Amino acid sequence: DAGVIQSPRHEVTEMGQEVTLRCKPISGHNSLFWYRQTMMRGLELLIYFNNNVPIDDSGMPEDRFSAKMPNASFSTLKIQPSEPRDSAVYFCASSLYQSNQPQHFGDGTRLSIL
Amino acid sequence: AQKVTQAQTEISVVEKEDVTLDCVYETRDTTYYLFWYKQPPSGELVFLIRRNSFDEQNEISGRYSWNFQKSTSSFNFTITASQVVDSAVYFCALSEPPGNYQLIWGAGTKLIIKP
Repeated sequence: DAGVIQSPRHEVTEMGQEVTLRCKPISGHNSLFWYRQTMMRGLELLIYFNNNVPIDDSGMPEDRFSAKMPNASFSTLKIQPSEPRDSAVYFCASSLYQSNQPQHFGDGTRLSIL
Repeated sequence: AQKVTQAQTEISVVEKEDVTLDCVYETRDTTYYLFWYKQPPSGELVFLIRRNSFDEQNEISGRYSWNFQKSTSSFNFTITASQVVDSAVYFCALSEPPGNYQLIWGAGTKLIIKP
């Protein structure tokens, strides 16, 4: 079975540019999560979707961050404009929303903002 | 408040040694779930195990075993006969009543297996 697929794996861009990260969840999963991982702060939940609807975006750091889930098989996380402090590894995860099923993670996108 | 503590920041052992990674959690709920994830040097996060609060049976999967003790609020992970490929950061996490999507993460334990 295909796992969570994220693209790109690596992104290097200059400050001020728009960055779009993409995620395809596991087929049949109805919950989707975006996380950010840094050395300083560890894993932080940015936003959670259930059945394509954003349920909790309290972890989104600022208005420069936005996330969408237009359908059950695709989600994007956008940063505009990007700043050096956004440099991190961004993970997408998906799960079945029942009985605390485990979240399955993609390989992550390593983002570097110069 | 919910909290997960992995007191061991880094552990280094020689290959073939057994090693135990500690996880202590805090929660007020009687229903909760505990998880272990592995993050190898390549960076991906790999789900290892989920345990619910009503199942205190220890679990064994090959060289991996987990010891869940509600009396001490611990969910420890033991690797028997460690191998270099076990080198990774291991995270313990907690989630609460069914439907609560938030995972409370421990800080992780970096495990180094020397050949």
